[in-house]
Amino acid sequence: KAGVTQTPRYLIKTRGQQVTLSCSPISGHRSVSWYQQTPGQGLQFLFEYFSETQRNKGNFPGRFSGRQFSNSRSEMNVSTLELGDSALYLCASSSVQGMNTEAFFGQGTRLTVV
Amino acid sequence: AQKVTQAQTEISVVEKEDVTLDCVYETRDTTYYLFWYKQPPSGELVFLIRRNSFDEQNEISGRYSWNFQKSTSSFNFTITASQVVDSAVYFCALSEDRDDKIIFGKGTRLHILP
Repeated sequence: KAGVTQTPRYLIKTRGQQVTLSCSPISGHRSVSWYQQTPGQGLQFLFEYFSETQRNKGNFPGRFSGRQFSNSRSEMNVSTLELGDSALYLCASSSVQGMNTEAFFGQGTRLTVV
Repeated sequence: AQKVTQAQTEISVVEKEDVTLDCVYETRDTTYYLFWYKQPPSGELVFLIRRNSFDEQNEISGRYSWNFQKSTSSFNFTITASQVVDSAVYFCALSEDRDDKIIFGKGTRLHILP
């Protein structure tokens, strides 16, 4: 079956703009989680959605938000972009809710803020 | 507080050598889960193993083996007879049952030289 699909793969935005990233989970998976990966901070958990509800949130400012649709696809939005938001954003899906389970990752969206 | 330490930032070994990647964790929870993920150059994280805190049995899967020792809070990963395809960044991660978040170590970049 198809894996986790993230679009777009690459994105360049200007400071102050906003951006929306998309994630399509593995068919049948209802949990989608998002992560930010930077050279300095490493891999950090952003949030998790399950059945269209945010179930869990990491320590990120309110500029980072997300949502999940009834088909389990998820979007992540970052408003008022800062240079420090440049990162690889990874999405993962699981069949059950929670961070205690195996997750399947997409290849990520590499965001560059200039 | 949760913490995962991968002290080895980068390791290079010659093909066919054995290599061990270290992972030390901190948690106050009695129920927690430990993970290892592999990140090849393509970017996605690939799940390797999940272990809960009540299962200290070591595990072997082909050339991969994991040594979980609660007494030293370590969950080390050994690749036997390494191959060039094992070159990647490897992440150790911890999830506590109490707050259901996941925290990753900084990763170990492994180079297998032909």
